[in-house]
Amino acid sequence: DVKVTQSSRYLVKRTGEKVFLECVQDMDHENMFWYRQDPGLGLRLIYFSYDVKMKEKGDIPEGYSVSREKKERFSLILESASTNQTSMYLCASSLRLAVNTGELFFGEGSRLTVL
Amino acid sequence: DAKTTQPPSMDCAEGRAANLPCNHSTISGNEYVYWYRQIHSQGPQYIIHGLKNNETNEMASLIITEDRKSSTLILPHATLRDTAVYYCIAPTNFGNEKLTFGTGTRLTIIP
Repeated sequence: DVKVTQSSRYLVKRTGEKVFLECVQDMDHENMFWYRQDPGLGLRLIYFSYDVKMKEKGDIPEGYSVSREKKERFSLILESASTNQTSMYLCASSLRLAVNTGELFFGEGSRLTVL
Repeated sequence: DAKTTQPPSMDCAEGRAANLPCNHSTISGNEYVYWYRQIHSQGPQYIIHGLKNNETNEMASLIITEDRKSSTLILPHATLRDTAVYYCIAPTNFGNEKLTFGTGTRLTIIP
């Protein structure tokens, strides 16, 4: 079964802490994505990556960075967490040429609370 | 990406067909329409996609109008487990660009 695994389901951090959210996929997908989801705002794209060591800003990259050192792993980094980054974070992956399947595979999500 | 518009919420009785509309009047000729759903506390899940012709799979049917300006996702016999938020998206090139999800339609199946 295909799988996107996010390292932590729930995290509680303090303002100013550095936070790492890890995502691993076992499908050899080229594309990986980080979204955040907030009530009334839907899913908003933070960053995405087409390949190892490549990254592209999404719609709301401010306050975040990412790392893709290996194809299967895409990390989201909050350099200095703030309370407005309290949210559900969702990782996803897809094949580069996914037109024929249309499938974007999501992880279960990581709910981050920043106090 | 083509802009998509969906009603914010809908109700449907259990066992009946749920018909979820999506407007994508600015869609261009090579843009597919994709549907995903998100059950509470889970990541979104792919349902179906199509370009021009109607499509059916084990989860749902997708009806696309001839002018491609709108589509309807049909869940033929809705169950309580179909209660979820349903997203309609129309990216320009699925495999090679970011995907943008709106707020979708919150479908509630009523017993």
